[in-house]
This record gives sequence, C-alpha cells and structure tokens, in this order.
Amino acid sequence: AQSVAQPEDQVNVAEGNPLTVKCTYSVSGNPYLFWYVQYPNRGLQFLLKYITGDNLVKGSYGFEAEFNKSQTSFHLKKPSALVSDSALYFCAVRDMANDYKLSFGAGTTVTVRA
Amino acid sequence: DTGVSQDPRHKITKRGQNVTFRCDPISEHNRLYWYRQTLGQGPEFLTYFQNEAQLEKSRLLSDRFSAERPKGSFSTLEIQRTEQGDSAMYLCASSLGTGGDTQYFGPGTRLTVL
Repeated sequence: AQSVAQPEDQVNVAEGNPLTVKCTYSVSGNPYLFWYVQYPNRGLQFLLKYITGDNLVKGSYGFEAEFNKSQTSFHLKKPSALVSDSALYFCAVRDMANDYKLSFGAGTTVTVRA
Repeated sequence: DTGVSQDPRHKITKRGQNVTFRCDPISEHNRLYWYRQTLGQGPEFLTYFQNEAQLEKSRLLSDRFSAERPKGSFSTLEIQRTEQGDSAMYLCASSLGTGGDTQYFGPGTRLTVL
C-alpha cells in the first residue's frame, strides 16, 4: 500500500517570504515522488519529481523539493513566494515496483498575500 | 506538443443517464490513465492502459464504469446509469511508459449528476 499525507490544509505567506509545503509518504518499496499544482477549474500541472540521485530536486517556477528517506518526507519549497503562486498543491507517490498508480495527498491550499 | 485534451469539459446529466468522456493523450505516450477527483480531495486512480491493453482497474471502478482505448490512441470512459455519487472531476493523464516517467494531466471533465 502507498499513501501521502499533507499535514497542512492551508499555508499563508507574504509575498517575498519563503514558502514550504509539507509532504510525508508511505510505500512498501522505493518511491518515486512528485509535486503538482492545480489552479481553479484546471487540471494538474507537473512541478518536479524525485526519481533517484541528488536529494534536492529543482523544478518549474523556482520550486524545489528535498527528499529525506529517513523522515519519509518530500517537502516543497520556494525561497521567495509570488502572489501568482497561490494555488492548490498536491504531493504524490508511486511505488517503484508498481510504477503506474499515483497516490495523492489531499492537497494544500497556498495563499500568498501582497 | 498540444498536451492532453479532454472532451467535454463539463457535463450535466440526470440520474440514470449514461455519459461518455473522451481523452486524447500526448501523441507519443504509450500509457493513459484515468483518475477521479472529488471536492477537497486529491485525485484517485481508476484505471490505466499500456497502448490498447487495460492493465489495472481500481476497485473504485464499479461495473457501471467501462474504459476503452481502441488502437492505443484516444480513450473513452463511460458511466452507465449515473448516480449522484458519480459527480466529480474526471482527469485523464498520459506518460511515455518508462520507469519513473511523469504523468501529464488534461484539464478534466467535470460531471454533475442531478
């Protein structure tokens, strides 16, 4: 079984401040980890993924995420948030042994105030 | 690259009616996935295809649901005898089919069952 927990329903930050969105995961084997962003009435847009190698992964729009195997975490970060980053963010995991099914967290709503 | 497209974007139907959704994947992608997203939740896996073969179905996919991918190109998802509980966003995604590949999502079809 595989699952994702996003412990915060909402994150509020001021523009220009650092942004962190938390994610922890559970898989029976080795994980593939993903972050997606969703704007209202739109599909999911891919931000970044961890497959193997360097634990720090850089993605689109200045986002990055750090894979921490001991803490089973994959937190999303951005050094300086923009108002346009306000959206719904989903963390997802896929078991390397069952490399098709994505399991998503419930999502975190990010609001960046000007 | 025109991305994943879905049609229709919105569908309103009465309980008991049948509905069919279409998904056109990115042209070179071998795998096609269907997910369902309800309000306040992350997407949940329904089924996926490797070319024209349907390889996995979630237990969420009741007997009223059927999906096809003739000739390994576009896919259709049909729901028979719709129920109010079927109201959701139905998302389609596609990927290359290689290890750790990224699933790219379409804009979704929002179904409302009255």
